[in-house]
Amino acid sequence: EVQLVESGGTLVKPGRSLRLSCTASGFTFGDYPMTWFRQAPGKGLEWVGFIRSKPYGGTAEYAASVKGRFIISRDDSKSTVYLQMNSLKTEDTAVYYCTRTVVYEYSIDYWGQGTLVTVSS
Amino acid sequence: DIQMTQSPSSLSASVGDRVTITCRASQDIRNLLAWFQQKPGKAPKSLIYAVSNLQNGVPSKFKGSGSGTDFALTISSLQPEDFATYYCQQYDAFPYTFGQGTKLEIK
Repeated sequence: EVQLVESGGTLVKPGRSLRLSCTASGFTFGDYPMTWFRQAPGKGLEWVGFIRSKPYGGTAEYAASVKGRFIISRDDSKSTVYLQMNSLKTEDTAVYYCTRTVVYEYSIDYWGQGTLVTVSS
Repeated sequence: DIQMTQSPSSLSASVGDRVTITCRASQDIRNLLAWFQQKPGKAPKSLIYAVSNLQNGVPSKFKGSGSGTDFALTISSLQPEDFATYYCQQYDAFPYTFGQGTKLEIK
């Protein structure tokens, strides 16, 4: 059974940094790209960024709203993808979801339960 | 960025009804269109990919259709568990973008 478990969400002050983790199980993690989404309170879904699998370079893409501040990385030995969030703003307050991305086709098939990040002074 | 326009934003229906939600892309997205279901306080669930392909375990009462820029999600024989918010999403080009969501409520 595919499982994605996010962790690391908390209350943090503006300008600070935070790292989210997403640990996967039930599949060969290294074969899959992974994608982060977020959802601000009472709002719709927003794509945050995506990281390719190592065979495809392991490189990442980012939404304009987070580019230069957020970094997605992966540790295939730990079946974990990370979202390093720097220079946090109040508008980054959201539930952050980790998702598995289908190889080649790039649709999303599985979602984690989400972790809440609140940016407030 | 590709804009996704979903309608209606809310929809009221009865158990047993059939409903259709539409989604329009601002440009041709080569049928790289997905649908998601989200219930209050829960993570989204993937329903459909590539316009009309059901994810594993999704019942056939969910049907996706369309091509190019115009797409639709039809849900047949509504049951209480189907009342939720539905989102379309294009994954043809970064940044991947969503429709604003359709809240399906019980009449």
